[in-house]
Amino acid sequence: DIQLTQSPSFVSASVGDRVTISCRASRGIGSSLAWYQQKPGTAPKPLIHTASSLQGGVPSRFSGSGSGTDFTLSINSLQPEDFATYYCQQANSFPPTFGGGTKVEIK
Amino acid sequence: EVQLAESGGGVVQPGGSLRLSCAASGFTFSSYWMHWVRQGPGKGLVWVSRLNGDGSSIQYADSVKGRFTISRDNVKNTVYLQMNSLRVDDTAVYYCARANNGAFEIWGQGTMVTVSS
Repeated sequence: DIQLTQSPSFVSASVGDRVTISCRASRGIGSSLAWYQQKPGTAPKPLIHTASSLQGGVPSRFSGSGSGTDFTLSINSLQPEDFATYYCQQANSFPPTFGGGTKVEIK
Repeated sequence: EVQLAESGGGVVQPGGSLRLSCAASGFTFSSYWMHWVRQGPGKGLVWVSRLNGDGSSIQYADSVKGRFTISRDNVKNTVYLQMNSLRVDDTAVYYCARANNGAFEIWGQGTMVTVSS
């Protein structure tokens, strides 16, 4: 199975900050990476697919980049509603796997 | 509106069984792979199972193989997860999800399964 390692596990940030989250794959996955946002007690919300394409309705302050083994989710000008846990997921090979999550907390 | 709605969760003793359902609406159900993903209390997301549009291709995570069975009814627009021989570590919120090119683009609200004596 492909392992996805997210870093950091926790981020403490303020409204207006820029936040970057890393996701590293144990072997190359091309651009087959997705990002999700999850708030407590709710289902994950899709943010990005194929590494850099925003899902419909996702604000443009979210962006994704990377290919191969190294990927990044960036959030420009963090908003109050962005405090949540973020997960990456690879769709390159079976089985689909997720990273361990990054919790973005209010500083 | 595209929607998925899970049901069937509950409390069951170790060794017991449950059947989860996921009702789909707002899209051509038979055209999509459907998946089950679970999340243990305070834990991350773990993929469980998937099947293709006509149910002819089915796959499972090793942790549930031989105990769980995924199926679908394209007339009722519903996907099922039959869970047998349940273990304490199967305790989780179970989500159904629609995939597009491998990314999970639509999720249900989840249903909680608790395995406890």
